[in-house]
Amino acid sequence: GQNIDQPTEMTATEGAIVQINCTYQTSGFNGLFWYQQHAGEAPTFLSYNVLDGLEEKGRFSSFLSRSKGYSYLLLKELQMKDSASYLCAVMDSNYQLIWGAGTKLIIKP
Amino acid sequence: DVKVTQSSRYLVKRTGEKVFLECVQDMDHENMFWYRQDPGLGLRLIYFSYDVKMKEKGDIPEGYSVSREKKERFSLILESASTNQTSMYLCASSTGQDYNSPLHFGNGTRLTVT
Repeated sequence: GQNIDQPTEMTATEGAIVQINCTYQTSGFNGLFWYQQHAGEAPTFLSYNVLDGLEEKGRFSSFLSRSKGYSYLLLKELQMKDSASYLCAVMDSNYQLIWGAGTKLIIKP
Repeated sequence: DVKVTQSSRYLVKRTGEKVFLECVQDMDHENMFWYRQDPGLGLRLIYFSYDVKMKEKGDIPEGYSVSREKKERFSLILESASTNQTSMYLCASSTGQDYNSPLHFGNGTRLTVT
């Protein structure tokens, strides 16, 4: 079967760095997405990786290793507004998205 | 900015009622999707549509139907609501130009079936 694994919850301190991991087993691979979802709000797109390596976008970076079935989202200089759930989703060989259950990130002052 | 609007934030319905969830997007997107989001589970695709009057079943279509009569509007219908359909429902849209186009989500409708 197809599976996406992410930690359920993580806690970090304001100003610090946090890495949210995502491992996947899917039928084929056509890219991996990260979305951010604040409580009670719509998920919003953060990043898309299809090639191995690190993509940086300001304070957020996303890494992919296709051979390991692994990605991470790196958040630097954490701010209180980064408290949210982070959703990992993989596009399979049929171009369908398989979603992880999300990681709830709690930022403490 | 793309806006996806869902008609209701909260709905409470009784078992057996017919329920309509409406979604409208304003960016002329070809693709529209209905997901449900439950605690501890990833988003699960109910139905999607790649064009007007077209619909495709997702992973959990049982108990649901959809309608897309206009490009901007995608409706989800619960023919006879049941308690196990209590959930958060998310509508999303994307352009059909690239398979990796990101999804734009509405704020969701939290449906409670009693």
